[in-house]
Amino acid sequence: GDQVEQSPSALSLHEGTGSALRCNFTTTMRAVQWFRKNSRGSLINLFYLASGTKENGRLKSAFDSKERYSTLHIRDAQLEDSGTYFCAAESGTGGYKVVFGSGTRLLVSP
Amino acid sequence: AQTIHQWPVAEIKAVGSPLSLGCTIKGKSSPNLYWYWQATGGTLQQLFYSITVGQVESVVQLNLSASRPKDDQFILSTEKLLLSHSGFYLCAWSPGDTQYFGPGTRLLVL
Repeated sequence: GDQVEQSPSALSLHEGTGSALRCNFTTTMRAVQWFRKNSRGSLINLFYLASGTKENGRLKSAFDSKERYSTLHIRDAQLEDSGTYFCAAESGTGGYKVVFGSGTRLLVSP
Repeated sequence: AQTIHQWPVAEIKAVGSPLSLGCTIKGKSSPNLYWYWQATGGTLQQLFYSITVGQVESVVQLNLSASRPKDDQFILSTEKLLLSHSGFYLCAWSPGDTQYFGPGTRLLVL
């Protein structure tokens, strides 16, 4: 079935540095969304992509349906970027099924 | 602006007792609606989705049911709770692409 493999599960960055989170898909997905968990445990939308790339401030995301992956790049990391990030993919088989990655716990330190 | 509310905020229930969780979306007509569940330490799983009033599709079987009695309301319920139902329940709405999540309901079954 449709599965999403998110990596790394945990990531430590120093302020001002950057890195990338990645989600690989076992099947062709129609779209991907990236979220960040808020303090209460709910999800805040960062990006929705059906293809290509999107950028917002220090965050940039890319989605390649054919190659079955998506990335979330963080540059110039700040302390407030610490938190848990998730990707979620819409199944390419149609319908409205969504599969989540297991999350990446990001810690930004001074 | 659209708003999404979930109730209750948290609940402690006994095994075998009934459950009803609610979700209401204001400011958007005919939204796509979703229920998700996350066990403690687990990955977020999609439970149900609904595209229109009176229509609900099940994604995973967890001895739960869902209904959409009104355009702006999505209800998750069961007549008999299991210990395994404990976790965090999230409702989400979508205009067709990006999903927007509610604040969630924490459920503890004892």
